[in-house]
Amino acid sequence: EDKVVQSPLSLVVHEGDTVTLNCSYEVTNFRSLLWYKQEKKAPTFLFMLTSSGIEKKSGRLSSILDKKELFSILNITATQTGDSAVYLCAVPTGTASKLTFGTGTRLQVTL
Amino acid sequence: DVKVTQSSRYLVKRTGEKVFLECVQDMDHENMFWYRQDPGLGLRLIYFSYDVKMKEKGDIPEGYSVSREKKERFSLILESASTNQTSMYLCASSPPAGHYNEQFFGPGTRLTVL
Repeated sequence: EDKVVQSPLSLVVHEGDTVTLNCSYEVTNFRSLLWYKQEKKAPTFLFMLTSSGIEKKSGRLSSILDKKELFSILNITATQTGDSAVYLCAVPTGTASKLTFGTGTRLQVTL
Repeated sequence: DVKVTQSSRYLVKRTGEKVFLECVQDMDHENMFWYRQDPGLGLRLIYFSYDVKMKEKGDIPEGYSVSREKKERFSLILESASTNQTSMYLCASSPPAGHYNEQFFGPGTRLTVL
């Protein structure tokens, strides 16, 4: 059975801290891994990773994939209160358009 | 910008009622999805559709049905709502397989069944 596991489930940090969120997966026929950010409503797309070792970066957020060890990390440096959200990891499984999601990591950034 | 809209942000229904949740996308996407999101369980796929009048069961289809009569519209139907269907329902759409896997989400409908 395809599985996506995220850790930690929740995290509270102070503004300015650096955080690392983890996503491990077990899927047949791996194609890619996606990260989403969900604030109050719709998840919004952050990154898609397909190749090991190549960092994707957007401002203070970055992500990398390890296809040998079957995991990805999402790093956020110099966190701000606006980074408070649930971060979701997803992997295409089964038919090519389906995504299997992890349970998410709830990040809270305090002043 | 891709836009996915859902008919209601909040909905309160009674046990046994028939409930329709509507989703519309404006990007001519082939694929559309319905998820429910519950604390500690993440997003779970209920049904998806890869073409008009085509549908496939997701991981938790029991108690739900769907309808896709037009490409832009995908409806989720709760034939007889129950309290355990109280949840956040998210609709998403994506281009066909082989392009890329990003799904675009609507704002969600928070359904409460009393």
